[in-house]
Formats: sequence, structure tokens, C-alpha cells
Amino acid sequence: AQSVTQLGSHVSVSEGALVLLRCNYSSSVPPYLFWYVQYPNQGLQLLLKYTSAATLVKGINGFEAEFKKSETSFHLTKPSAHMSDAAEYFCAVSPNDYKLSFGAGTTVTVRA
Amino acid sequence: DAEITQSPRHKITETGRQVTLACHQTWNHNNMFWYRQDLGHGLRLIHYSYGVQDTNKGEVSDGYSVSRSNTEDLPLTLESAASSQTSVYFCASSDNGGLNEQFFGPGTRLTVL
Repeated sequence: AQSVTQLGSHVSVSEGALVLLRCNYSSSVPPYLFWYVQYPNQGLQLLLKYTSAATLVKGINGFEAEFKKSETSFHLTKPSAHMSDAAEYFCAVSPNDYKLSFGAGTTVTVRA
Repeated sequence: DAEITQSPRHKITETGRQVTLACHQTWNHNNMFWYRQDLGHGLRLIHYSYGVQDTNKGEVSDGYSVSRSNTEDLPLTLESAASSQTSVYFCASSDNGGLNEQFFGPGTRLTVL
């Protein structure tokens, strides 16, 4: 079974600082990997996805993530945080059966 | 524009009552999913469907049921609501050729008193 671990349930960063959200997965085969963002009282929105085409994936709003097979990781970064990045972020993994397994989520707070 | 909608957005009910949450998508997607979101657990899969007349249990299916009579709709029914089913429920859909990317509805906040 697939599992996803997000390190840190809450991350606080200053505006303009680096955002780093960690995600590790367990999988016996290379999976599809996703980062979703959830703003307050909204559904989930796709930030980016890894589908084996390239290990460095660029997404919306300046986010990117790097797939490292040797570390089974898919960490999300953004060089400079903006106040609008305050949200909850979910890492998800999918094998080839269309289902997603989600991590517990990381809440990002941005300090002015 | 294609979309996925959920209704109602908020629902308060009493223990023991039957409740049905609606999910409707206009993407013409084959696959539809129901999740519940609880603090500290992320999203957990309740039921899913890969097409009309197909339904499958997810990891937290006890007390829930679904039916798929057409492509667009996957209603979620709580047969006898319990306080432990107080949660936010999300519906999602995906296409077989979409590399497993799922599109989410806005959610339904259910409170069981």
C-alpha cells in the first residue's frame, strides 16, 4: 500500500523567505506524485505533478518540486514566500489505479 | 466551463438520520471519489467509482454507501449518521488519460449532533 509522510504539520515563514515543505513516500514502483493546495473554506487545487517526464517539476504560483528516487522524496519549495501562500498543502501519491493517497497536510503561515 | 459541484455546502443533522450528499461533475470523467477531511488525517478515501454501475470501498467506508447510475453523479449516503461522521467531505473526479490528476469540488461541511 502507498503511504505519504509530510514532515511538519505547521510551517511558519517570513514574507520573502524560502518555503520548504517535505514529503516522503513509500512505493515499490515509481508513482505519480502531486502537491495540492487548499485555501480556507475551499477545495483542493493542483499545484504541480510528477509524471516521470522530468525530476524537477515547476508548478503554479512560483512553486516547484524535485523528485529524488534514491530518497523517495518529493519536497516542495518556493524561493520567496508571499502572504497569499498562506494555506494548507498536501502531498499525494498514486500508483497506476487512479486512486490518491494523501499526507496529513502542512499548514503554512506567512509572517509580515 | 466544466466543473464539479457539491450540495449542500453545509448540513446539520441529528444522530441516526439518513443523509445524502450530492456530487455532480460536467467533466465527463470516468472516475469519481469521495473523501473526508479531518484534522491531522489529511484526506481519507471513503468510496470510489471507475464508471457507471461500478463502486468500490475505500479505507474508511463503514457507515457510507454510494451508487453510480450515470457518469455525472456520485451521491454519498450516510445510512444512519453518527457524531464520528462530523467532517468535511470532498468529491473529486479524474479522467483515465489524465495521469491520475483529480479535480476537487468545494466540499460539504457536515455536522452530526
